[in-house]
Amino acid sequence: EAGVVQSPRYKIIEKKQPVAFWCNPISGHNTLYWYLQNLGQGPELLIRYENEEAVDDSQLPKDRFSAERLKGVDSTLKIQPAELGDSAVYLCASSSGTGGASTEAFFGQGTRLTVV
Amino acid sequence: QQQVKQSPQSLIVQKGGISIINCAYENTAFDYFPWYQQFPGKGPALLIAIRPDVSEKKEGRFTISFNKSAKQFSLHIMDSQPGDSATYFCAARSGTASKLTFGTGTRLQVTL
Repeated sequence: EAGVVQSPRYKIIEKKQPVAFWCNPISGHNTLYWYLQNLGQGPELLIRYENEEAVDDSQLPKDRFSAERLKGVDSTLKIQPAELGDSAVYLCASSSGTGGASTEAFFGQGTRLTVV
Repeated sequence: QQQVKQSPQSLIVQKGGISIINCAYENTAFDYFPWYQQFPGKGPALLIAIRPDVSEKKEGRFTISFNKSAKQFSLHIMDSQPGDSATYFCAARSGTASKLTFGTGTRLQVTL
């Protein structure tokens, strides 16, 4: 069974440019997460989807970040415009069930973003 | 607000030794406590998890000890091996929220 697939693996962009990340969760997993991992830190939740609905986006900087999961399957995370401080690894994870019934979260390999 | 505090930041253990990583939490609504292992360039992978209705859970060389009254839990790696060298994250989740709150990580190095 394929795991969580993310692309691209690496991205280098100049500041003020837009960037987008893509995630395909494990088949059948209806909960999808985007996490931000700074160097030497633990992942921090940006947004959580249950099916198509963003149920927790309280930590998403909405002035420059946006996300969508139109058909309740794959998802994209966009930054526009990117800032130097956005350099980090962006992790996607998925789990089955929703809310308190969510099972183990499986993570993708992440997209390492470098803003220069 | 850091809700899960993890220590030590780094740890060096000889092969065959015991690695111990500690975490403390503040939110009493947390009811699921997983440990994740992360190798360089990879995403975190679930290693072992515990719920607060038990004080200990063992899977192979990995054991979680849980102290509900102290709001602390720890990971013990017995007979540590060089292949265990990785970064370990404790995490916590409340049933209704579903999101994981991670500790800051412990970089473990197991030497020969």
